[in-house]
Amino acid sequence: GAGVSQSPSNKVTEKGKDVELRCDPISGHTALYWYRQSLGQGLEFLIYFQGNSAPDKSGLPSDRFSAERTGGSVSTLTIQRTQQEDSAVYLCASSPGTREQFFGPGTRLTVL
Amino acid sequence: GENVEQHPSTLSVQEGDSAVIKCTYSDSASNYFPWYKQELGKGPQLIIDIRSNVGEKKDQRIAVTLNKTAKHFSLHITETQPEDSAVYFCAASIIAAGNKLTFGGGTRVLVKP
Repeated sequence: GAGVSQSPSNKVTEKGKDVELRCDPISGHTALYWYRQSLGQGLEFLIYFQGNSAPDKSGLPSDRFSAERTGGSVSTLTIQRTQQEDSAVYLCASSPGTREQFFGPGTRLTVL
Repeated sequence: GENVEQHPSTLSVQEGDSAVIKCTYSDSASNYFPWYKQELGKGPQLIIDIRSNVGEKKDQRIAVTLNKTAKHFSLHITETQPEDSAVYFCAASIIAAGNKLTFGGGTRVLVKP
């Protein structure tokens, strides 16, 4: 069946621009997670959704980062006024319950 | 918060030999420990997981062991094959706290034919 999909696969932007990253979870998965993977910080948690609500935003690095989820499905991660340190691979994972998380291929963000 | 340490950072083995990767965690409340395999340009793929009420789990050539007292867990790959070459990540989480994963730093495994 279809796995987690993310778009775009690559995004190059200029410092100061806003970007939106999209995640389509596996159908029926109630939980959705965003992680960031960078050379310096490894894989780190950003935010977690259960349905459309986000009970844990503790990993968002600054108020320039926000995310929403609509219809219990698609999620969008928005980064405003991008900085060079935001360059990383942004990974989305979905889960049918409280255990296994299945990752998408990621969006590679490059901020020039 | 949780801290997960993973060793070694790189591991080179001969095809057919075994590979062992070790992780330690700091939060005794953690109760879920998955292992992921990541190939170049792809997202992490779940290969095996274990919960804290189990000491060992095996799936074909892959096994994971957990020592709750010592707060460490290990991945064992037997009869390694070239397609096992990848980066492996361990992680820990508290299921009831949203199951957000804290990852180790990763181990780059190279299986030489």
